[in-house]
Amino acid sequence: EAGVAQSPRYKIIEKRQSVAFWCNPISGHATLYWYQQILGQGPKLLIQFQNNGVVDDSQLPKDRFSAERLKGVDSTLKIQPAKLEDSAVYLCASSFNRGGEAFFGQGTRLTVV
Amino acid sequence: GQNIDQPTEMTATEGAIVQINCTYQTSGFNGLFWYQQHAGEAPTFLSYNVLDGLEEKGRFSSFLSRSKGYSYLLLKELQMKDSASYLCAVRDQNTGNQFYFGTGTSLTVIP
Repeated sequence: EAGVAQSPRYKIIEKRQSVAFWCNPISGHATLYWYQQILGQGPKLLIQFQNNGVVDDSQLPKDRFSAERLKGVDSTLKIQPAKLEDSAVYLCASSFNRGGEAFFGQGTRLTVV
Repeated sequence: GQNIDQPTEMTATEGAIVQINCTYQTSGFNGLFWYQQHAGEAPTFLSYNVLDGLEEKGRFSSFLSRSKGYSYLLLKELQMKDSASYLCAVRDQNTGNQFYFGTGTSLTVIP
């Protein structure tokens, strides 16, 4: 079974630039999560989708972050404009249903300079 | 809200047993998960408890006491490859069954 795919693996941008991350969840998984993991901390949920609808985006900084999952499969997370404090690993995860164990992708390591 | 605490770092010797504790406070507890995360890699699922008691899976076991808001992950016959961060996560049914993670315990296994 293929796992959660994310790209790119690494990205370095200057502050105030824009960046987008892509995630392809495990086939058949209705629930998709985006997490932000700052070095030395646990993952923090940014947004949770159920199919193509948003379940919770209360911790998403909406002035600069946006995410979509238009067809209920792939998802993109965008940051515009980026700040230095956005430097982190962005993890995508999926689960078969809300509350099933989550399977994580390799993550995208973002460095904002 | 959610409040998950686990030790920041632990060191143990190859072949030994180590116990990593996790305490939590959540209003809508609906399961506790342990994940392993090697440096630069994705978290991988280790175990899941929703009822009180011990769940055993090979060298790994996890225990839960819901009344105490407490769990531990027990690793037996430690191997060097077990050096990693161990993340405790709780699922909260009051917030759409979201996962809330602790900061992780960095385990170093020494020869």
